[in-house]
Amino acid sequence: AQSVAQPEDQVNVAEGNPLTVKCTYSVSGNPYLFWYVQYPNRGLQFLLKYITGDNLVKGSYGFEAEFNKSQTSFHLKKPSALVSDSALYFCAVRDMGGGYQKVTFGTGTKLQVIP
Amino acid sequence: AAGVIQSPRHLIKEKRETATLKCYPIPRHDTVYWYQQGPGQDPQFLISFYEKMQSDKGSIPDRFSAQQFSDYHSELNMSSLELGDSALYFCASSLVSGSRDTQYFGPGTRLTVL
Repeated sequence: AQSVAQPEDQVNVAEGNPLTVKCTYSVSGNPYLFWYVQYPNRGLQFLLKYITGDNLVKGSYGFEAEFNKSQTSFHLKKPSALVSDSALYFCAVRDMGGGYQKVTFGTGTKLQVIP
Repeated sequence: AAGVIQSPRHLIKEKRETATLKCYPIPRHDTVYWYQQGPGQDPQFLISFYEKMQSDKGSIPDRFSAQQFSDYHSELNMSSLELGDSALYFCASSLVSGSRDTQYFGPGTRLTVL
């Protein structure tokens, strides 16, 4: 079984400061890892993914995420937060070798960027 | 670029009624997924189709059924609706035969059961 944990329900950060949204995962094989963002009353937008290769993945809107296999983590980061980054962020995982296509989402972290 | 289209965007039904949600995947995508997101909840996988065949099944109630048609669009049929079915229903599509990883989501259908 695959699972994702997002330990923080909410993260508050001042505009211009670096932000980190935490995610840890569990899969039986090698993981595909994703971050999605959800604005109020909107669909889930793809931000970035890790499949293989470089552990630091760069995505949309200046976001990046670092894959750490030993810690089974895939934290989302941004060097300088914008007020417009305020949204709900979901980490998701899929087992690369499981043959199943569905992704499993974490419970989401609400990011609040304070002006 | 074309995105996933879902219709209707909003739907209000009474208990015990039936609802049909439609999903039109990104052109040339061969796989469709359905997710249910309850209020304040994370999306939960319901069911998926690859090349018009069911490929995986999650926590989909027996009252719900779905299929993918020859043009790759999919429909989620929900019968005997219950209050707890009120949620945002997302459809996602991906190209399995290509980079079988990224799912792109539609805007969702907000179903309210009264």
